[in-house]
This record gives sequence, C-alpha cells and structure tokens, in this order.
Amino acid sequence: SAVISQKPSRDICQRGTSLTIQCQVDSQVTMMFWYRQQPGQSLTLIATANQGSEATYESGFVIDKFPISRPNLTFSTLTVSNMSPEDSSIYLCSAHRGTYNEQFFGPGTRLTVL
Amino acid sequence: KNQVEQSPQSLIILEGKNCTLQCNYTVSPFSNLRWYKQDTGRGPVSLTIMTFSENTKSNGRYTATLDADTKQSSLHITASQLSDSASYICVVSAGLGNSGYALNFGKGTSLLVTP
Repeated sequence: SAVISQKPSRDICQRGTSLTIQCQVDSQVTMMFWYRQQPGQSLTLIATANQGSEATYESGFVIDKFPISRPNLTFSTLTVSNMSPEDSSIYLCSAHRGTYNEQFFGPGTRLTVL
Repeated sequence: KNQVEQSPQSLIILEGKNCTLQCNYTVSPFSNLRWYKQDTGRGPVSLTIMTFSENTKSNGRYTATLDADTKQSSLHITASQLSDSASYICVVSAGLGNSGYALNFGKGTSLLVTP
C-alpha cells in the first residue's frame, strides 16, 4: 500500500483568497491525482500531475483556477485560486501503485469558503 | 457514457446484521472494479479489487462479487460492526490503451450501523 498525507486537513477561507494544499507520498510514484468531492457526491477528477511536465486537467477545470505543482516523485501541491463559496469541498490527493494500478487516497482537505 | 450506479443511496442496519450493497455499471472497456470504504472526514480506503475473470473476492467480513456479463457487482458485509458505518464507493476502471485507464466513481452508499 501507499501512505499519503495532506496538509492542511481543513481550512476556512475568505472569498477571493487562495489556498495551497500539499500532498506527500511515502514513496516515488509516477502519477499523482487531485480530486474534488462535493457533499453527497462522488469523487471528480480535477487533474493528473506528472513529474516534469504540466498537469493534465479534466473538462471543467483550468490551470488558472487550480494550478498544480509536481516538483518531484513524492510531492504535489494543488492551489485553489480566487475562491468562492462554490469551491467549498473536500480535495483529495491520490496515487496509484501495483499490478492493477490500485488507487490510494490521502485523508483529504476539507475546505470551507465564506 | 460510462456510468456507475450504486444502490441503495443509504442504509441503516442493526449491529450484527448482514447487508448487501449493489453497483451497476456501464463502463467500457472494462478493466477492473474496486470497492472503497470512506469514513467521514477521511480518504477512501480500498477493500477489494476485481478483474474481469474474478467473480468473488473477500477481505475479512467484506465479500465482493462481480458479474461481468450483467455488469453488476455487490459488496456483502457480514456481522456488521459499528465501525462499518461509512460510505462505500464502487469504482470501475476503463482501459484507455497504452496502459492508461480512467476511473469512474459511483456516488456511494452511506451505511449506518446502530447498536
């Protein structure tokens, strides 16, 4: 298995500000993923972060709003920029490993925007 | 469009009872199916993962089944415990070729086990 940690675990932010979420994996992984989980909803993939290249964003998500860094094979950050109350959600980092590319998730960051 | 539908949306059972959660999917090409348990305020944790050729897999009191013909899966929980209270998410992986894949998430079944 993989151990993934995220910081912060939760935050309450003001509208218009930005928050950077950090994700650390206990071993090197090729791809890391960022998800959003809104209340009562399933996980939605925001982007895939590869080391050494720009992140690949899913439809509906753009780099200006969710810039991602991937400086090495164990670490990534997701920034939620110019926040609005609609950005209130749980943000999850994940990585895959193993024969079946089993996906491991971090504990999530619960973001509330006032 | 690839979809994963789970039922019921929520479920309340007494401690010690058994329950079965359902997952129907329309995902192609199918790669594998995973069940995750997500405790409140935590990230999802993998319970089982099954490929096309596997029709049952157990992990302690959790037993998952897969019928690839009807595109249905179930997660059976035996002798439920209070700690089983969580959201259970069905995730179906679609192969994209070149070792790529896409995950399709169900909305989850919220299970509450009461004393």
